[in-house]
Amino acid sequence: EVQMLESGGGLVKPGGSLRLSCAASGFTFKTSAMSWVRRAPGKGLEWVSAVSGSSPRTYYAESVKGRFTISRDNYQNTLYLQMTNLRADDSAIYYCAKEGNYGDFDNWGQGTLVTVSS
Amino acid sequence: DIQMTQSPSTLSASVGDRVIITCRASQSISNWLAWYQQKPGKAPKKLIYKASSIEVGVPPRFRGSGSGTEFTLTIDGLQPDDVATYFCQQFYSYPGNFGPGTKVEI
Repeated sequence: EVQMLESGGGLVKPGGSLRLSCAASGFTFKTSAMSWVRRAPGKGLEWVSAVSGSSPRTYYAESVKGRFTISRDNYQNTLYLQMTNLRADDSAIYYCAKEGNYGDFDNWGQGTLVTVSS
Repeated sequence: DIQMTQSPSTLSASVGDRVIITCRASQSISNWLAWYQQKPGKAPKKLIYKASSIEVGVPPRFRGSGSGTEFTLTIDGLQPDDVATYFCQQFYSYPGNFGPGTKVEI
């Protein structure tokens, strides 16, 4: 059974940093493209960042480019999102998602809440 | 970037009704479209991929159609369990933008 468990969310002040983790199991992690997607209160889903499987290439939404860094540890089957210079509009539930065969998202974690507030 | 729109933003219907949600892309995306259901407090769940292919385990009352720039998600016989927000997503090109969502109420 595919499982993904996010952690690392919390309350942080504007300008602060957080690192999110997503522990994955039940599938071949090292060959799977993975993404982070967020949903802010009262808003829709927003794709944040993606990383390919082997020979990782990374992609970012314009809203987070230069502030967020996606990475993966294929030995620990874990996906990361390092977030720096956080802003109030980064407040959201952050989900890790596994890409399916067509680039859509087959499986999602349960999410971790990030709140940026002074 | 390809922009996605959805209509309506909210709809209220009765149990047993046919519900139709429309999603439009700012340029042709062929059939590279998925539909997701997100219930309150839960993670999104994929319902439809490649515009009209239903995911394993999804009830057959959910039906996707369309290609190019216009797509629909139809729920044939709305059930109380279908109360959720529904999102379309294009995966024709990065970033895989989502539509703004349609909240379905009973």
